[in-house]
Amino acid sequence: NAGVTQTPKFRVLKTGQSMTLLCAQDMNHEYMYWYRQDPGMGLRLIHYSVGEGTTAKGEVPDGYNVSRLKKQNFLLGLESAAPSQTSVYFCASSHGQGRAFFGQGTRLTVV
Amino acid sequence: QQQVKQSPQSLIVQKGGIPIINCAYENTAFDYFPWYQQFPGKGPALLIAIRPDVSEKKEGRFTISFNKSAKQFSLHIMDSQPGDSATYFCAASMGSSNTGKLIFGQGTTLQVKP
Repeated sequence: NAGVTQTPKFRVLKTGQSMTLLCAQDMNHEYMYWYRQDPGMGLRLIHYSVGEGTTAKGEVPDGYNVSRLKKQNFLLGLESAAPSQTSVYFCASSHGQGRAFFGQGTRLTVV
Repeated sequence: QQQVKQSPQSLIVQKGGIPIINCAYENTAFDYFPWYQQFPGKGPALLIAIRPDVSEKKEGRFTISFNKSAKQFSLHIMDSQPGDSATYFCAASMGSSNTGKLIFGQGTTLQVKP
């Protein structure tokens, strides 16, 4: 049972480049989330999904897009990366209110 | 808008000490309050959680104290060990929203010295 798997684990982008972060969960969870973690700011919700085919904005959605075409996958896209998007990104999944399971994180640096 | 405020930002204790981390929330609709533990290079993992119908919950050496009227809750780690050195996050969510969204505090970095 792998839980929540994030790909890639590390990435360096140049300003203006695009990329997609992949999150996969094998727990049949309906709910999935993308957070970013920055020093002194905790984890902030970027986008989330309450089921296959649905997405919604979180606290800090600007500059990001997401898609949930399959229940087990949740993709986070950066269309034109900016240095302010340098962060550690975490994907999480849950059955709803209750325990959320987090992936190992993706450390992204935008130069 | 920071709906969950956590303090202190960092904490150093000796082995065997009882570190206490505090959180305060604003939204009275929150009805689930978990604590997450994060080791360097890893994702957060659920440590312990409480709902507002109880004032205290214990799991092993970890205790949550909850004060509904003050809108505050805290994590106590009894007999702390060097292996407890990690970053701790409090969080809150609303069951009525049917989204499971967690609002996190800023985090506390705990160091337990041998």
